[in-house]
Amino acid sequence: ILNVEQSPQSLHVQEGDSTNFTCSFPSSNFYALHWYRWETAKSPEALFVMTLNGDEKKKGRISATLNTKEGYSYLYIKGSQPEDSATYLCAFRPWGNEKLTFGTGTRLTIIP
Amino acid sequence: DVKVTQSSRYLVKRTGEKVFLECVQDMDHENMFWYRQDPGLGLRLIYFSYDVKMKEKGDIPEGYSVSREKKERFSLILESASTNQTSMYLCASSPRGVLHYTFGSGTRLTVV
Repeated sequence: ILNVEQSPQSLHVQEGDSTNFTCSFPSSNFYALHWYRWETAKSPEALFVMTLNGDEKKKGRISATLNTKEGYSYLYIKGSQPEDSATYLCAFRPWGNEKLTFGTGTRLTIIP
Repeated sequence: DVKVTQSSRYLVKRTGEKVFLECVQDMDHENMFWYRQDPGLGLRLIYFSYDVKMKEKGDIPEGYSVSREKKERFSLILESASTNQTSMYLCASSPRGVLHYTFGSGTRLTVV
């Protein structure tokens, strides 16, 4: 079983502040790293799929970076809003495999 | 809007019952997956299927089986439900060779 870890497990952030969290994954046999946002009572929603070392992706106030050589990705949220409250999941996909291995998630709560 | 539909949002079953969780996708996707999500453990893969009538075990298949008689439908079966199978169950699908998963909204199963 592949080891994909996320930290911190949970986070409380004041509205308007910026925040970031980490996903670490195996540095060998890398194919892709996914980020999902999962709001309560909804389906997990795809945020980013990252495939290249040094990749940076951005969607509004959310961005992500990727380092495949050392096996980590950061997710950044700038100017947090209440609607950012969710669990953020990363998932690792190795070469030759269409299965994703998920991390345990970071549960983000924005305090108004 | 493309969809993965899980038949029940909440389900309560008794120990020893045979339980069917249904998942239907309308996107003609080849791949379908069943995950369970437990606090502190993240999403763990139970079974997946690459095509009709094909199935492969994931990381935690014990106590479960699956059925994929039609491309659009992937059923998870708990042969004899036990209390340690109380969990949130998520179904997902993806086209072959494409990175994104599309998730259902989950079934929260309680076994009493």
